[in-house]
Amino acid sequence: DTEVTQTPKHLVMGMTNKKSLKCEQHMGHRAMYWYKQKAKKPPELMFVYSYEKLSINESVPSRFSPECPNSSLLNLHLHALQPEDSALYLCASSQPTGTGVFTGANVLTFGAGSRLTVL
Amino acid sequence: QKEVEQNSGPLSVPEGAIASLNCTYSDRVSQSFFWYRQYSGKSPELIMSIYSNGDKEDGRFTAQLNKASQYVSLLIRDSQPSDSATYLCAVNNNAGNMLTFGGGTRLMVKP
Repeated sequence: DTEVTQTPKHLVMGMTNKKSLKCEQHMGHRAMYWYKQKAKKPPELMFVYSYEKLSINESVPSRFSPECPNSSLLNLHLHALQPEDSALYLCASSQPTGTGVFTGANVLTFGAGSRLTVL
Repeated sequence: QKEVEQNSGPLSVPEGAIASLNCTYSDRVSQSFFWYRQYSGKSPELIMSIYSNGDKEDGRFTAQLNKASQYVSLLIRDSQPSDSATYLCAVNNNAGNMLTFGGGTRLMVKP
């Protein structure tokens, strides 16, 4: 079983709905990430939180709103999404890298993902 | 221009053969390189990491890194049907807590 837990596993929502994706880890990691993955494409980075502060936003539209309430939790709030936002949303965690370089001690661990369908 | 490039495949090998997966990257100062395996509909799973030039072996897997050529590869010996998956190459591009993924290579191991 993965040590990064994502809920829900599947979500279907309309374009006017407001929903949230949740991610939880208890590995003591202080960096958490949201990735978006379309079918047959690699994961694309959306947001990075380091020590509960947003450190990277990869020019993601404002209809996606991340939140990191504490060191174990990461949310992604969804509002007014478009059908093209349908994808697998992956949460990941690691230890932060002071130098920006990942080493063996702080590789990314992914959750199982939340598959989102926007109608 | 893509920063991390992989042949999308599919790469088809018979059971028991060696599968060779390749990846090139554009950022010369990249320092950390990873191979993730992703089964269809599942999340990526780390299988190998490599940081220094040369080979690194772990069971049936060997990662090879050549920083001068900006090339990293993954060899899978004695390939099994259960190895059939998409293999993602990921590179740490020194931009701060970021990994850039290649497009992935789909591997098919035929019994």
